[in-house]
Amino acid sequence: SQKIEQNSEALNIQEGKTATLTCNYTNYSPAYLQWYRQDPGRGPVFLLLIRENEKEKRKERLKVTFDTTLKQSLFHITASQPADSATYLCVLTGGGNKLTFGTGTQLKVEL
Amino acid sequence: DAGVIQSPRHEVTEMGQEVTLRCKPISGHDYLFWYRQTMMRGLELLIYFNNNVPIDDSGMPEDRFSAKMPNASFSTLKIQPSEPRDSAVYFCASSSNRAGNTIYFGEGSWLTVV
Repeated sequence: SQKIEQNSEALNIQEGKTATLTCNYTNYSPAYLQWYRQDPGRGPVFLLLIRENEKEKRKERLKVTFDTTLKQSLFHITASQPADSATYLCVLTGGGNKLTFGTGTQLKVEL
Repeated sequence: DAGVIQSPRHEVTEMGQEVTLRCKPISGHDYLFWYRQTMMRGLELLIYFNNNVPIDDSGMPEDRFSAKMPNASFSTLKIQPSEPRDSAVYFCASSSNRAGNTIYFGEGSWLTVV
């Protein structure tokens, strides 16, 4: 069956360090992979989209890699700040416009 | 743009009552999605529409759930009768193919069934 796996345990890092979150998937051949951020009590917000023929995408302090052989995406936040604390969701595109969300990894950036 | 607008933001209802959640998608978006989020199961897609037509409702848990989209600017998700296990946050989201498959979420409707 199709699965999206993200670390269920919270990731705690110190301010200024690079946070790296992992998304692994099985039984998917996604055309896109997306990352969203969700703050408590709010809806998810789109951050980055990477296509299957792209290896890496950057946006300001964010970087996403997409390895279709390993079936894995890594999401990096450099120079992390307490304001980056949130839950980050990996999202795959299946047939049509159907998006499937991972369960998310909670990131806490400490002073 | 006002974004995706959902109402009510919070609802507490008694078991057996009918619940109607409402959504106004972003103008010009031709896809509309209803998701449910719980701690146990994360975000689950319930149903989605394209140009007001339901495309995939395989995520709707049971016949007690129904969704409609009478026009491009309005959709409802109805639960009748409601049960305590329906307690969750229900998100509406919309997208346009021109946005590269990115979807935009509302702030959610927090439903508690007692």
